[in-house]
Amino acid sequence: DTAVSQTPKYLVTQMGNDKSIKCEQNLGHDTMYWYKQDSKKFLKIMFSYNNKELIINETVPNRFSPKSPDKAHLNLHINSLELGDSAVYFCASSQVSSTQYFGPGTRLTVL
Amino acid sequence: DQQVKQNSPSLSVQEGRISILNCDYTNSMFDYFLWYKKYPAEGPTFLISISSIKDKNEDGRFTVFLNKSAKHLSLHIVPSQPGDSAVYFCAARLLGGSQGNLIFGKGTKLSVKP
Repeated sequence: DTAVSQTPKYLVTQMGNDKSIKCEQNLGHDTMYWYKQDSKKFLKIMFSYNNKELIINETVPNRFSPKSPDKAHLNLHINSLELGDSAVYFCASSQVSSTQYFGPGTRLTVL
Repeated sequence: DQQVKQNSPSLSVQEGRISILNCDYTNSMFDYFLWYKKYPAEGPTFLISISSIKDKNEDGRFTVFLNKSAKHLSLHIVPSQPGDSAVYFCAARLLGGSQGNLIFGKGTKLSVKP
């Protein structure tokens, strides 16, 4: 069974569109994260979220918003996509402050 | 401003020999360090970690060494195997860091040749 899953694996879209990436974890973890790996291969935290607190990296544009329908899901919504949003997005989960487990990634390409 | 640096983008090692991957950091408030391994088209997988109160942690073929005075850590893989070929990311967590947010290095691509 996949511990942290993401859909879709690949996403190709036009500038200006709105898209979502879904993430689910079946580990019973209380905290979930979104990371962005850009063209320079840096993995950077975008958000971390548990049922009490959302922490947003201040460098993340407000076009990006995480939405958590329940403890096992943290979806990423992106409005008005731009060329610079092209990257691989990774979801992760953990018990608070413990080892993070990553999903397989979603490669987003904005044309 | 890179707080976690992996200055070697790649490393090539012969099978059976030791692989040493290095990582430097700048923030003395980091309290926990981790190594992740990543294969192409997959997410990073946790490998080994070390608390800032220790200087060594060993798990099978993998050992992580921490030198706090030098703000340096290294991952040793002995003996190296072709299946170890992957990108290795060093990551650090800030003391009291909310929800355990990690700061990653840029990664080092390890190639182990048969």
